[in-house]
This record gives sequence, structure tokens and C-alpha cells, in this order.
Amino acid sequence: EAGVVQSPRYKIIEKKQPVAFWCNPISGHNTLYWYLQNLGQGPELLIRYENEEAVDDSQLPKDRFSAERLKGVDSTLKIQPAELGDSAVYLCASSSTPDRGHLFFGPGTRLTVL
Amino acid sequence: SQQGEEDPQALSIQEGENATMNCSYKTSINNLQWYRQNSGRGLVHLILIRSNEREKHSGRLRVTLDTSKKSSSLLITASRAADTASYFCATHGANSKLTFGKGITLSVRP
Repeated sequence: EAGVVQSPRYKIIEKKQPVAFWCNPISGHNTLYWYLQNLGQGPELLIRYENEEAVDDSQLPKDRFSAERLKGVDSTLKIQPAELGDSAVYLCASSSTPDRGHLFFGPGTRLTVL
Repeated sequence: SQQGEEDPQALSIQEGENATMNCSYKTSINNLQWYRQNSGRGLVHLILIRSNEREKHSGRLRVTLDTSKKSSSLLITASRAADTASYFCATHGANSKLTFGKGITLSVRP
């Protein structure tokens, strides 16, 4: 079984530039998550999707972050414009049982904003 | 916001010794989960314990849950160098949100 796929693995951009991350969850997993992980910290939820619906985006900074999950499969997270403080690892995860099960994580995208 | 707080923040042991990591949380939960993260990689699920369970085993892992004290512990027996990683507890609350702690860095010396 293929795991959660993320691309790119690494991205370096200058501040004020836009950036996008892509995630393909495990086949059949209806729930998709984007987490942000700062160095030395645990992951923090940005947004959770049930199929194509964003059911929890309360922690997503909507002035510069946006996400979509068209057709309820793969998802894209965008930052525009990026700021220095956005440097972090962006993790995508998926699960088949949203209310009580465990998550399968992708390898993450390490973003460096210069 | 991070609900779970792991203790200690860092742990260094000799190969073959047992490693005990603790997690405390604040609000009621449906279940508590432990994850491992190797450097530069994504998180891997280790074990899940439901709120009505007190102890669970999986291979060399043993997790306990005390809901009255809002705490959990993860025991890794007979540790190996390959167990070197960061370990996170995560609480699954009534709002279906999985919230992670800051993690414990475990180093197992060969």
C-alpha cells in the first residue's frame, strides 16, 4: 500500500513569494489533514478535510494561507505571500476513521523562507 | 495550542535499558495516541489507547492511561539504537481534533 505522498520535499523561497505544497493521501482515506511543525515542536493542525469539505480550518491564517481539496482526493496548501516566520515543515496526513482513528503521515515539505 | 505535555523533554539511555516517557493532558479525551518521528521524516503511529482502557501492549511497547490523573506513560523495553527518535503523545478530543504535545527526544546509546 502506498503511503501519503507529498511534494516537494524541500522548498527555498524568498519572502513575499508564493509557494504551494501538494499532498496525495492513502487511497480510500476520506479525511485529510495539514499540519505545521516548527523546529523542536509537535505538529499543529492547520486544516482538516472530510472528503472535499474543510470541517476545521480555525487555525489556518486565512490572510495568507489557502487550501483546497478538489474531488476529495489530493490537496494543495498555498501561502501567498510567504513570510520569514513561515519557515517550518508542512505535514500532510490522512485517516480512514476521522473521529477516533490514528493518522498516517507523509514525509513533509521543509520550507525555508529567506 | 498543544494539550499534551511530555516529560522528560529529553532522555538518554544505554541500549538494552527500558525507556519511560510520560504525557499529561488537560481536557477529556476519546483516546490517546503515541507517535514516533525519526529525524527529517514524518510521524509514524505507534499505539492507541482508548479512554476506557488502562493498559495496552504492542511488541516492546507498553502504554498506560490514567484518566483520573489525565496522564499516560509509554514504556519501551529492551531499547535499541534504532529507537532513537522523537516521541509525541497526541490526544483525541470530543471535537475529533488530534492535538500533539511538544515531544520527547530519546537517544539510545549503542
